[in-house]
Amino acid sequence: RKEVEQDPGPFNVPEGATVAFNCTYSNSASQSFFWYRQDCRKEPKLLMSVYSSGNEDGRFTAQLNRASQYISLLIRDSKLSDSATYLCVVNQAGTALIFGKGTTLSVSS
Amino acid sequence: GAGVSQSPSNKVTEKGKDVELRCDPISGHTALYWYRQSLGQGLEFLIYFQGNSAPDKSGLPSDRFSAERTGGSVSTLTIQRTQQEDSAVYLCASSLEVGRSNQPQHFGDGTRLSIL
Repeated sequence: RKEVEQDPGPFNVPEGATVAFNCTYSNSASQSFFWYRQDCRKEPKLLMSVYSSGNEDGRFTAQLNRASQYISLLIRDSKLSDSATYLCVVNQAGTALIFGKGTTLSVSS
Repeated sequence: GAGVSQSPSNKVTEKGKDVELRCDPISGHTALYWYRQSLGQGLEFLIYFQGNSAPDKSGLPSDRFSAERTGGSVSTLTIQRTQQEDSAVYLCASSLEVGRSNQPQHFGDGTRLSIL
């Protein structure tokens, strides 16, 4: 079983749509959780941290369920510029980040 | 500079040659990490440094890979006798310190390594 699993997609949505990505992780000792965004042939960039209480940053909402070992990302009112690969990331011990393979989103006009 | 800086951006070399990749972390960041991303694959962790020390080298793919960091700043990743399977994007990241898992890691642009 992979440590971090994501649906690779692609998710093809029109502008203005709401889209949700899910991720599961296998190590219950994982401590911190993030969503990173990676554009084609670019480096990953931090989108947001994920907390059990849920957190929101503009059109983006992230949620963590520790009991189910499940992380989600919700994007509202999708923009063309949201097209990218979204990486679910887990940190177990304050050292290595464990990355999912990413979910590809394509937003069209 | 403001971000993590890596050089070269691209490196094409023949199989069997040695290559050296460089990373300059964000100023003040004591923790530095190396990852690689092969085509169509997720990011794979290689090694981390806290200061100049690399406590765990088990993530390095083979003994042809080595890394060092001097002065608590710049790090080099060296691949000896390169093989075609070493072709990948090598990414460096830094964070304020190791052991604080809630601190995000910030990535450089990467070095795209192609072995002919």
